[in-house]
Amino acid sequence: RKEVEQDPGPFNVPEGATVAFNCTYSNSASQSFFWYRQDCRKEPKLLMSVYSSGNEDGRFTAQLNRASQYISLLIRDSKLSDSATYLCVVMSGNTPLVFGKGTRLSVIA
Amino acid sequence: DAEITQSPRHKITETGRQVTLACHQTWNHNNMFWYRQDLGHGLRLIHYSYGVQDTNKGEVSDGYSVSRSNTEDLPLTLESAASSQTSVYFCASLRREAYNEQFFGPGTRLTVL
Repeated sequence: RKEVEQDPGPFNVPEGATVAFNCTYSNSASQSFFWYRQDCRKEPKLLMSVYSSGNEDGRFTAQLNRASQYISLLIRDSKLSDSATYLCVVMSGNTPLVFGKGTRLSVIA
Repeated sequence: DAEITQSPRHKITETGRQVTLACHQTWNHNNMFWYRQDLGHGLRLIHYSYGVQDTNKGEVSDGYSVSRSNTEDLPLTLESAASSQTSVYFCASLRREAYNEQFFGPGTRLTVL
């Protein structure tokens, strides 16, 4: 089983739609969780950290379910500029971050 | 502003040549990483370092080496380039504090002919 698994997509959604991505992780000792965004031919950048109680940043909401070992990202009112690949990332102790392969989102006008 | 840079941004080389990709960060982060990214594989960790003189192998380290002689730089060397090493290479650094944000360089696109 891969350490971090994501649906690769692509998710093709119209502008204004709500879209959700899920991610599962295998290491129950994982302590920190993140979503990164990667635009085509660019480097990944931190979108948001994921906290146990869930957290929101504008149109983006991240949730963590430790019991089921999954993380989710919800994007409301999708914009064309949200088109990118979203990477689920997990950290355990002092080891390197573990990246999922990413979920590709295309928002269509 | 602090930053992380990579050079060259694009490189074409021939099979069997030694190639070194540079990575330089000005945040004074102890943790630095090298990844390669290929279609269908996502980001794969090549080598990483937690401080000066410290280096560790990642999941795809064969054919690559790194050295860490100062905090700012982690050069990646391909000892004898192979066509299978054609890829996009990202360097990253991490500040291990409460925020734990990892910053990536802009990437180096390497083609081995």
